[in-house]
Amino acid sequence: DIVMTQSPDSLAVSLGERATISCKSSQSVLYNSNNKNYLAWYQQKPGQPPKLLIYWASTRESGVPDRFSGSGSGTDFTLTITSLQAEDVAVYYCQQYYSTPTWSFGQGTKVEIK
Amino acid sequence: EVQLVQSGAEVKRPGESLKISCQGSGYSFTTSWIVWVRQMPGKGLEWMGIIYPGDSNTRYSPSFQGQVSLSADKSVSTAYLQWSGLKASDTAMYYCARVSTPMGDAFDIWGQGTMVTVSS
Repeated sequence: DIVMTQSPDSLAVSLGERATISCKSSQSVLYNSNNKNYLAWYQQKPGQPPKLLIYWASTRESGVPDRFSGSGSGTDFTLTITSLQAEDVAVYYCQQYYSTPTWSFGQGTKVEIK
Repeated sequence: EVQLVQSGAEVKRPGESLKISCQGSGYSFTTSWIVWVRQMPGKGLEWMGIIYPGDSNTRYSPSFQGQVSLSADKSVSTAYLQWSGLKASDTAMYYCARVSTPMGDAFDIWGQGTMVTVSS
């Protein structure tokens, strides 16, 4: 099984500042045949279902603000929120879909306002 | 609008059976896998199983194999998650989501969730 580990578990960032979340997989999620990383990021606001933010490690889902960006390859990935807004308070999860039809999520990172 | 709408919250006793639903609209329901995801109170996300509504083909996470049953009725664009004997440890929020093949099997559309509470 591919284990996804996020860090930190929580972070507090001032409004307008940058938030950075790390996600590491226990094995590579890069498919050499198409050079794609099978890694997604989700945002879950309190009382809401998760929402897909980024897939293929760096492709923003339609309608997602460009202050959200994903980067990384292989086993190390990052979600960056530039200029944090109040509405970005949420728990963020990474997910690998390399081993589909089995999936695994990171444990989540809670982002709060400092 | 593409959406998944789930049935309402449930309160059950241990040992009771339960079937919750997830109805899709705004897209071809029979040609995308539906996944069920559990979220226990204050915890993270766990995939439980998937079903292809077109032919009801199912796959289960080893953690949930034998504990739940998935089904679908394509005539009403609805997928179901069922328990035959609930336990207190089944208390959780349950989400259905669409598996997006163009995105490599990320989960692009989510239902609003069904809260299941099992208590004596």
